[in-house]
Amino acid sequence: DVKVTQSSRYLVKRTGEKVFLECVQDMDHENMFWYRQDPGLGLRLIYFSYDVKMKEKGDIPEGYSVSREKKERFSLILESASTNQTSMYLCASSPALDRVMNTEAFFGQGTRLTVV
Amino acid sequence: GQSLEQPSEVTAVEGAIVQINCTYQTSGFYGLSWYQQHDGGAPTFLSYNALDGLEETGRFSSFLSRSDSYGYLLLQELQMKDSASYFCAVGYNFNKFYFGSGTKLNVKP
Repeated sequence: DVKVTQSSRYLVKRTGEKVFLECVQDMDHENMFWYRQDPGLGLRLIYFSYDVKMKEKGDIPEGYSVSREKKERFSLILESASTNQTSMYLCASSPALDRVMNTEAFFGQGTRLTVV
Repeated sequence: GQSLEQPSEVTAVEGAIVQINCTYQTSGFYGLSWYQQHDGGAPTFLSYNALDGLEETGRFSSFLSRSDSYGYLLLQELQMKDSASYFCAVGYNFNKFYFGSGTKLNVKP
């Protein structure tokens, strides 16, 4: 059974704290993603990685950074958490287009982050 | 970013057919996908259109028309368990995905 695991289901952090959200996939996928989900706004892409140490900005990268030191792990970092970063964060993975013609993304259960 | 428009909410009765539309203002993508998300759950893949036309998977069908910048998800024989949010998504090189704002489907008895 394919799996994307996010380290925490719920997190409460204080304004100004550095926050790490961890995501691990066991499917040997090349691609990994971080989205945030807010009511009425759908899933917005924060960052995307297509290989180890490779990353691309999505639509809303401001205030975030990412790290991909190993293929299976993709971390989202909030350098200095702010209340407007209170949201549901979803990690996903998918195979690369040139490996299989598969456009399916597999999602983790999400981390609900509250910044107070 | 990419722009994918969906109705925010749709209500239908059990056993009926419902169509959820997705219009987009983007180009160069290689396919349109649909995902289902139950409250508190993770989005899960439903259907994918690489080419124009209709793709059928059981009670679910998805349609794409690139010339009209339009696609839809068709759900037949609605069941209560189909109550969820539905997202369209476009994929680009390396499988980079952008999602629409989502449609909340309410199925009533």
